[in-house]
Amino acid sequence: NAGVTQTPKFRVLKTGQSMTLLCAQDMNHEYMYWYRQDPGMGLRLIHYSVGEGTTAKGEVPDGYNVSRLKKQNFLLGLESAAPSQTSVYFCASTDSYEQYFGPGTRLTVT
Amino acid sequence: RKEVEQDPGPFNVPEGATVAFNCTYSNSASQSFFWYRQDCRKEPKLLMSVYSSGNEDGRFTAQLNRASQYISLLIRDSKLSDSATYLCVVSLTGTASKLTFGTGTRLQVTL
Repeated sequence: NAGVTQTPKFRVLKTGQSMTLLCAQDMNHEYMYWYRQDPGMGLRLIHYSVGEGTTAKGEVPDGYNVSRLKKQNFLLGLESAAPSQTSVYFCASTDSYEQYFGPGTRLTVT
Repeated sequence: RKEVEQDPGPFNVPEGATVAFNCTYSNSASQSFFWYRQDCRKEPKLLMSVYSSGNEDGRFTAQLNRASQYISLLIRDSKLSDSATYLCVVSLTGTASKLTFGTGTRLQVTL
């Protein structure tokens, strides 16, 4: 039982490049989330999903897209990376009692 | 005004000390309350839920004051391993489905 996994763990992008972050959970949770964490800002919700095939915007969705084609996977896409998207990205899923987080992806955009 | 406010610290305390953190939340409709722990460069993990009657888990005690809209966490007999950032978290629902996180309070326990 791996819980929540994220790939990649680290990535450096140049401005304008695109990439996809993958989140996978093996706990059969319906709800999944993408957050970003920046110094002094706390965790901020980017997008979330309440089930396979559904997505919704969170607090800071601009510049990101998501897809939930399979229940266990939640993908976060950056179409044209900007330096302001330099951050640590966490994926999470919940059984309604607790949110379980992945280990994070450290993204630097130069 | 931030939805969830915490003193960022750091709180530097010696081993064995008792330390308390407070957190305030702005939305009186909030229904669920939690403390999460985050170690340096790691993911947040649930430390404990916070109930209106207060609850204890070993050396950790959490209290909720709905009238004043604040939540507290008390750590007794601090251990070196307690060094971490403690995140105050609230939800408008009765579940963990939609959480709002504070920026965290950093605790450093020293010898």
